[in-house]
Amino acid sequence: GQQVMQIPQYQHVQEGEDFTTYCNSSTTLSNIQWYKQRPGGHPVFLIQLVKSGEVKKQKRLTFQFGEAKKNSSLHITATQTTDVGTYFCAAYHSTGKLIFGQGTTLQVKP
Amino acid sequence: ETGVTQSPTHLIKTRGQQVTLRCSSQSGHNTVSWYQQALGQGPQFIFQYYREEENGRGNFPPRFSGLQFPNYSSELNVNALELDDSALYLCASSLRLSSTDTQYFGPGTRLTVL
Repeated sequence: GQQVMQIPQYQHVQEGEDFTTYCNSSTTLSNIQWYKQRPGGHPVFLIQLVKSGEVKKQKRLTFQFGEAKKNSSLHITATQTTDVGTYFCAAYHSTGKLIFGQGTTLQVKP
Repeated sequence: ETGVTQSPTHLIKTRGQQVTLRCSSQSGHNTVSWYQQALGQGPQFIFQYYREEENGRGNFPPRFSGLQFPNYSSELNVNALELDDSALYLCASSLRLSSTDTQYFGPGTRLTVL
């Protein structure tokens, strides 16, 4: 079945350093969504990418969707302690269900 | 806040028992999906309801069942609880049955099975 692989599983950075998480699929995706889950919280929708090669920015966050629509990335510039959490990518399966990656947990040392 | 509410917040059950979890979707949303999130894992799709009908199901056994009511609120029922059912159960609502609509997650119910 369709799977979405996400790496790395964990990332520890010093505050001010950059952070990137990658999401890969063996099949072409119709779209990809990114969520953030704070410790003890629930997934919160960040953004959706639909077009091949699409790049979207939200302040210090940059989201990319690959040209082949099989991979995506989330890049955070100059991390802050408020960026701590687990970042998930998710893609829609043809049956309508969201398939989540395993997530990348970001720790930021002040 | 997404407007999606879930109850109860936490629940402790023993093996073999049955549990019912509830979800109220965001106003105007007719589609509800349920997910199970084990510790350290991404959410796993259980099933989805659209206008009171099941619209898709993940790899979960029949002892996981659900309902959606005319007001689009929903229930997840789990029978014959097993230790591995311990997880955060999330419901998410969306405006339409569409692969491009955003799903808004509720705060979840933390189920512990002893």
